[in-house]
Parts: sequence; C-alpha cells; structure tokens
Amino acid sequence: GAVVSQHPSWVICKSGTSVKIECRSLDFQATTMFWYRQFPKQSLMLMATSNEGSKATYEQGVEKDKFLINHASLTLSTLTVTSAHPEDSSFYICSARTVSYNSPLHFGNGTRLTVT
Amino acid sequence: QQQVKQSPQSLIVQKGGISIINCAYENTAFDYFPWYQQFPGKGPALLIAIRPDVSEKKEGRFTISFNKSAKQFSLHIMDSQPGDSATYFCAASQPRAGNTGKLIFGQGTTLQVKP
Repeated sequence: GAVVSQHPSWVICKSGTSVKIECRSLDFQATTMFWYRQFPKQSLMLMATSNEGSKATYEQGVEKDKFLINHASLTLSTLTVTSAHPEDSSFYICSARTVSYNSPLHFGNGTRLTVT
Repeated sequence: QQQVKQSPQSLIVQKGGISIINCAYENTAFDYFPWYQQFPGKGPALLIAIRPDVSEKKEGRFTISFNKSAKQFSLHIMDSQPGDSATYFCAASQPRAGNTGKLIFGQGTTLQVKP
C-alpha cells in the first residue's frame, strides 16, 4: 500500500517551453503533497508544500510563478515548470502523506527533467 | 535551526560488517526522525523511523539509536550486504499542526558494501 506514482519518469524539453509533472497517490488520499528537487549527488531540497484545495506554500527562494503547483484533488498534485531553462534541469520528486498525523511520507520515483 | 547534519558523506563497508550513519539536529521541535534509502534514478524509500519518546527502534537489520539530550540519531545496518549499497538520508520534521510536517533532509551518505 501507500504507492505514489509520478509521471513522466523522464522528459526532455526545449528551452522556453513548459513541462507538467503529475504526482498521484494510488491507494490513499493525500491531503498534503510535497515537491522536492534533487541535483546529482545532493540532498533533496523542499520546493513547496501543497494542500488539497488551497494554494501551495513555497520555500524561500523558490519562484512560485516559475514552478506552478496545483493540488486539485486528494489523489493528484501537479508541478508545472514554466518557461523552462537549462538551469531547471534536475530530478523532481513528489511525496505524499495521508490524513493521519502519524502517517509516513511516501515518495514517487521522480522525474528527470532535461532542458535543452 | 532547520538543518539536519549528516555524516559521513560516504562510507565503504565490507560485506557482513556494520554500517553506521549519524545525524544531528538543532530544532528541538522536531518530533519525527525517518531514514530513507535511495537508489540511483529512484525516489527515496522509507526504511525506518523513530519518535523522541524511545531511544532505539529495530526493524530487521536496521536500527535507529536516538539521543534526545544530544540531539543526535543514527542508523545502524547490521550484516551489511552489497544490495544495501545506496544513498541514505536522515530527515526530521515538526508536528503537522502549523507546519504540515514537512521533512528536512540531511546531506546524504553514499554507502558501498564490498563483497
């Protein structure tokens, strides 16, 4: 149980285009989802927290207009990288937890974004 | 206050040996301390987690030791196997109320278990 599915697993796009990444909780309802970014051989950096039906909360230094997050339902959150540039190339990972206070955080398998 | 410091950065252990990874934190409001295992190109997978009301938790070959007064916790992997070769992250979070329970990750430790 507690599977988080992320799609696509990898994407290559041209500079200036937008890319949408989907994060789905397959067998549980996720009131809160988190989006992380990971550079090679580095740790996971939290980008934003999204709660179903409300605006996402972005971490300091993360451009909300560049990284649009929508948490439209209890099983789906999307991250759209707008007007992508090569420096946006990274590994993006979503995570989700259930409504339970003690529930652990489950991660998707990540999306490798390459902007050419 | 929000940092979690992890060491060592890399670790090489012989098969059958014990792998030990350490983490330290500053924020005394943290109340949940998980360890995650990540293989290349994959998302992190939860290994084991502990809350500050216990000093040790064991699940199979994995043990977390927690020292609340020192604000430190560690992961011990007993009888390490080549399949354990991965990157390990410690993390910490505050109670969900008012903070959504977001996880703050350590810097990661790359473990290599030699056959």
